[in-house]
Amino acid sequence: QKEVEQDPGPLSVPEGAIVSLNCTYSNSAFQYFMWYRQYSRKGPELLMYTYSSGNKEDGRFTAQVDKSSKYISLFIRDSQPSDSATYLCAPAGGAGGTSYGKLTFGQGTILTVHP
Amino acid sequence: EPEVTQTPSHQVTQMGQEVILRCVPISNHLYFYWYRQILGQKVEFLVSFYNNEISEKSEIFDDQFSVERPDGSNFTLKIRSTKLEDSAMYFCASSLQYQPQHFGDGTRLSIL
Repeated sequence: QKEVEQDPGPLSVPEGAIVSLNCTYSNSAFQYFMWYRQYSRKGPELLMYTYSSGNKEDGRFTAQVDKSSKYISLFIRDSQPSDSATYLCAPAGGAGGTSYGKLTFGQGTILTVHP
Repeated sequence: EPEVTQTPSHQVTQMGQEVILRCVPISNHLYFYWYRQILGQKVEFLVSFYNNEISEKSEIFDDQFSVERPDGSNFTLKIRSTKLEDSAMYFCASSLQYQPQHFGDGTRLSIL
């Protein structure tokens, strides 16, 4: 079983739609959960991060973590064409308790928001 | 907003040659990382570095790889004898304690 699984899509939605992106993971040691956005030919850009289970909202973005089912979600409300990118989930275990430690990335979901 | 800077953006090297990829992390960050992304594949962890030591490394990070923080601002990844399969995007990242990592835009390494 892969440590982090993410449907690669591609996912195509109309402008204004609600987008749901998901990941599952197998390592119960993961404590920190990040979502990154990656535009073509660019590095991963941090979108959201959460610690342990629960929800976190930031503008049009909501991140959810359910540690009991090892399921991570990112919701985008009122999606815009500028949201078109690859979305990467990246949990981390916080090795040594001094930092988040290494990130284990999912495959990434390619999202296209068309006008 | 502070950012991680990587140079060069594209490096072309003959197989067997040594290559050094350079990164300037965000100035007050203490933790440094290298990742790579082979075309069409996921981003993979290579190594983490803290307090002038390697904290953790992956199976990919074998004896041909090394990292160094030669001064207070740069963080480098050296690949000693490049192979065709080293062709990838290499990303540098940095972070504060208990904070998530911020990435540079990467160096595309092409081995001929």
